[in-house]
Amino acid sequence: AQTVTQSQPEMSVQEAETVTLSCTYDTSENNYYLFWYKQPPSRQMILVIRQEAYKQQNATENRFSVNFQKAAKSFSLKISDSQLGDTAMYFCASGGGADGLTFGKGTHLIIQP
Amino acid sequence: NAGVTQTPKFQVLKTGQSMTLQCAQDMNHNSMYWYRQDPGMGLRLIYYSASEGTTDKGEVPNGYNVSRLNKREFSLRLESAAPSQTSVYFCASSRDIQETQYFGPGTRLLVL
Repeated sequence: AQTVTQSQPEMSVQEAETVTLSCTYDTSENNYYLFWYKQPPSRQMILVIRQEAYKQQNATENRFSVNFQKAAKSFSLKISDSQLGDTAMYFCASGGGADGLTFGKGTHLIIQP
Repeated sequence: NAGVTQTPKFQVLKTGQSMTLQCAQDMNHNSMYWYRQDPGMGLRLIYYSASEGTTDKGEVPNGYNVSRLNKREFSLRLESAAPSQTSVYFCASSRDIQETQYFGPGTRLLVL
């Protein structure tokens, strides 16, 4: 069984600032994967970044990077130079078992102009 | 590439009515999934199909049935809709069970 916890229901920052979204997880799997998905008002679920647990190097995708702390079971998302288009719900998810992903409840990120 | 498509986009049902939500993917993925999204709850897995010919229950399967019609299509059926099934339903697919999942646009269902 897996659990994913996002402790920040909502965050608000100014455009161009850096923001970090928190996520902790628990899993009994040895090989697992962690994801951040973005859900803008259009409701479409968009993959932001993926991290394989066996890789020590933190994943990065342009302005998005993660801080993966395996021992602490922590997987935070950092957004640099935030833009108005980053306003969305962000979901942390874990996978690796024999079924689908387990999602956190989400963080609503608001980028203020 | 269409990716993952879902029909309908929006549906209103009366309690007790039945309906089928359709999902299709054109990425030649082996695995497909159905989730529901409720306010403040994130996404929860209803059913999944690891490969063509197999289906398994997820976290919240009660009140639903699924059919993996072929490799491309995975449908979700509500036999007797209840107000508690008012939700947004997402279909997703992945190359294999542990790979990245790609989502459809969602179906908003309102049960009165």
